[in-house]
Amino acid sequence: DGGITQSPKYLFRKEGQNVTLSCEQNLNHDAMYWYRQDPGQGLRLIYYSQIVNDFQKGDIAEGYSVSREKKESFPLTVTSAQKNPTAFYLCASSMPTEQPGRSLAFFGQGTRLTVV
Amino acid sequence: GQNIDQPTEMTATEGAIVQINCTYQTSGFNGLFWYQQHAGEAPTFLSYNVLDGLEEKGRFSSFLSRSKGYSYLLLKELQMKDSASYLCAVRAGSSSNTGKLIFGQGTTLQVKP
Repeated sequence: DGGITQSPKYLFRKEGQNVTLSCEQNLNHDAMYWYRQDPGQGLRLIYYSQIVNDFQKGDIAEGYSVSREKKESFPLTVTSAQKNPTAFYLCASSMPTEQPGRSLAFFGQGTRLTVV
Repeated sequence: GQNIDQPTEMTATEGAIVQINCTYQTSGFNGLFWYQQHAGEAPTFLSYNVLDGLEEKGRFSSFLSRSKGYSYLLLKELQMKDSASYLCAVRAGSSSNTGKLIFGQGTTLQVKP
């Protein structure tokens, strides 16, 4: 079955360490996104990519980096420069809108990152 | 700037109908999405509107008015399991498959017996 896979589901990091969150999709979607969600709050966009080898900063890109070397993969690195990295991280992908009214965007299961 | 507004919380009774509103102001518009999110879980897709009008899907319907920058999600025959957060998201772009997906803060719906 097609879908988006994020790994790991839970991740613990020591302060000062970089950590990379994985996001893989086999839906043949062009666009992929990374969001951060803090308790009781909505989703805030970190980075997004609309095509391979291209990506744009979202609203809260500082302290994060991404790559898009393959269509299927969009890993997110949380660097030591991110001052408050503990959060729930969600990856999403979406298909083109050429199919009228039926464009869909899907989320992975999320990665809960805790800095210890 | 980009802005999406939803009510923070709503309460409704089991078996009733509830309407969750969403207003948006974005640079470009290329579709509006509604998602359901239970606590601690990832959002799941409910509906998508790109043209004006009503999209119906079982107990859930979603309406869009692009000229007013307005959408609503209508939930009928409410069940206890419908207690969750409902997220409105807009893809802000000028053509298909472009633009970032921007989310509102979400509306927490509590269904009471």
